[in-house]
Amino acid sequence: GAVVSQHPSWVICKSGTSVKIECRSLDFQATTMFWYRQFPKQSLMLMATSNEGSKATYEQGVEKDKFLINHASLTLSTLTVTSAHPEDSSFYICSARTSGRYEQYFGPGTRLTVT
Amino acid sequence: QKEVEQNSGPLSVPEGAIASLNCTYSDRGSQSFFWYRQYSGKSPELIMSIYSNGDKEDGRFTAQLNKASQYVSLLIRDSQPSDSATYLCAGDRTLTDSWGKLQFGAGTQVVVTP
Repeated sequence: GAVVSQHPSWVICKSGTSVKIECRSLDFQATTMFWYRQFPKQSLMLMATSNEGSKATYEQGVEKDKFLINHASLTLSTLTVTSAHPEDSSFYICSARTSGRYEQYFGPGTRLTVT
Repeated sequence: QKEVEQNSGPLSVPEGAIASLNCTYSDRGSQSFFWYRQYSGKSPELIMSIYSNGDKEDGRFTAQLNKASQYVSLLIRDSQPSDSATYLCAGDRTLTDSWGKLQFGAGTQVVVTP
């Protein structure tokens, strides 16, 4: 149980284009989903938190117009990196939790390379 | 001051020995604590959760929580090379956040040597 999938697992895009990453909870209802970014050899950095049907809340320093998050249902959240630049190249990981529980279950991550 | 602190390591452990990982936290309101394992290039995987003071055992893993000392630990018995990974400690932020955010430590790298 508690499986979270992410798609795509890796993506290469050109500078200036947009990329959408999907995060799905496969066997539970994800009332809250989280998006993290992790650079090589660094800690997880929380970017934003989204509740189903609500606007996402972004951590300080994260540009909400650049990283668009949509939590359309209890099983799906998407992160769109708009006008991507090489410095956006990173490992993006989503996690999900269900109401009343604090455990977060992580997706396998998406490795984004912007050329 | 970081809210959740861990030694970065690497912690070198001979195969078959016990690996002992420690974590301290500053938020006295935290109630739930988690240990995640992260292999290089992969996402974190939940291996233990603990909510009450004392010990919790699951297979080769034992988590210990001492809320008075604001201390969480993880013991890995009979360490195997496959246990080589970075272990992340995390605590909730119940009193300051209603969204279920977790505060993660930077992680301790464990290297099990054959």
